[in-house]
Amino acid sequence: EAQVTQNPRYLITVTGKKLTVTCSQNMNHEYMSWYRQDPGLGLRQIYYSMNVEVTDKGDVPEGYKVSRKEKRNFPLILESPSPNQTSLYFCASSPTSFSYNEQFFGPGTRLTVL
Amino acid sequence: AQRVTQPEKLLSVFKGAPVELKCNYSYSGSPELFWYVQYSRQRLQLLLRHISRESIKGFTADLNKGETSFHLKKPFAQEEDSAMYYCALYMEETSGSRLTFGEGTQLTVNP
Repeated sequence: EAQVTQNPRYLITVTGKKLTVTCSQNMNHEYMSWYRQDPGLGLRQIYYSMNVEVTDKGDVPEGYKVSRKEKRNFPLILESPSPNQTSLYFCASSPTSFSYNEQFFGPGTRLTVL
Repeated sequence: AQRVTQPEKLLSVFKGAPVELKCNYSYSGSPELFWYVQYSRQRLQLLLRHISRESIKGFTADLNKGETSFHLKKPFAQEEDSAMYYCALYMEETSGSRLTFGEGTQLTVNP
């Protein structure tokens, strides 16, 4: 089944403890992206990648890192998580970055930083 | 700067009533707009795109460049339309192209 998967789906951690949220797609998509969803703020883009080894900052990149070593994977890294990073995180992918391409979303990862 | 605005965070209507979810945008280029929907416990998914000029699940949206709006409409709301709706703007920037979302509108259709 063509899909975007994220792991873990739920995570509770403490301030300062490094964590990684994985994202993987099996559709050979070039474009991948991370968003965070917060009440009243909607979806805000954290980072995006137009292809392997090409990543760029979105609207809210502070406190996050990403890497794109292979086409299918786009992990989100929080080196030193803080409580303001408590949020619902979505990974998405599309065939290319062109406008007519629909973005396919993962199921979301709910992160709580204490 | 806020590029996509959805002024209503919550919208409640009765089954069979018309519904309109508002979306306004700010963009200097030629806009390309989308509506995404997130049903309860489901993934965010594309509902429709303005370039296709299509009607999906009875919903339509017309791009009004003069008013910089892309409102989503349905003449007769159904209970299964209850969901979170996001308006999104595709932007081309020097660093790359991407999709930017509004704040979302939670639609509740009451029986």
